[in-house]
Amino acid sequence: IAGITQAPTSQILAAGRRMTLRCTQDMRHNAMYWYRQDLGLGLRLIHYSNTAGTTGKGEVPDGYSVSRANTDDFPLTLASAVPSQTSVYFCASRPGQENTEAFFGQGTRLTVV
Amino acid sequence: GQSLEQPSEVTAVEGAIVQINCTYQTSGFYGLSWYQQHDGGAPTFLSYNGLDGLEETGRFSSFLSRSDSYGYLLLQELQMKDSASYFCASTDSWGKLQFGAGTQVVVTP
Repeated sequence: IAGITQAPTSQILAAGRRMTLRCTQDMRHNAMYWYRQDLGLGLRLIHYSNTAGTTGKGEVPDGYSVSRANTDDFPLTLASAVPSQTSVYFCASRPGQENTEAFFGQGTRLTVV
Repeated sequence: GQSLEQPSEVTAVEGAIVQINCTYQTSGFYGLSWYQQHDGGAPTFLSYNGLDGLEETGRFSSFLSRSDSYGYLLLQELQMKDSASYFCASTDSWGKLQFGAGTQVVVTP
C-alpha cells in the first residue's frame, strides 16, 4: 500500500442494502475525511476524524456512519442505501487537523438502484 | 458553519492569466487551500494560505485576505493541461476541511 487506498473502485448496490466503503492510509496521518462529489456541487464533507478514536459530522452526514478504531483505517458505512446516495466518494487524509495538504484516494463510484 | 463561493467556470486562451476568486464564511477560520482536479481523478493540492498575503508556487500563486474573507488563485502562462476544476477549501479550528463547488477552467488554443 502506498498513500491512501479506497475499495471498491466502483459498486452497484440495490436500495436498502448495507455497504461499507473502505479507506486505508499508510502515511500515519492523524486526520481523515470522507467526501461525496456530485456534478455541480463540488466535494461535500460527510464525516471527519482528527485522530484515532474521534469522529465528527460534516455538511451531509445523514445516512452515513464512520468509525476510527486505529490511525490507518476510516471506513464509511451506508446502513440502508438510497438512490440519492449515488455519487463518487473520496477519502482523504492529512498529517494533522491544522496541516496544509490533504491527500486523496482515487475514489469509489457508487450507484444505488 | 462554513460556506465558500467561487465562480462556476472561467475560459481563457493558452498563455493567458486567470484569477479564480473565493469568498468564504467560516467559523473559526484557520486557512485557505486550493486543489486541482482533472476529470474523473482525485483532487491534488496546489497551495495553502494561513496568513494574509501571496504564496507563489511556480506558475500558480494564491492570495489571502482574512479581513475581507477572500482569497484567489492565480494561474499564469496557461497551458492546455491546466484545463481542470479548481477548488478552494477552508480549514476551521475544529479540523473540518470543506470545499467550494469548484471552478471549471477551460483553456483554448
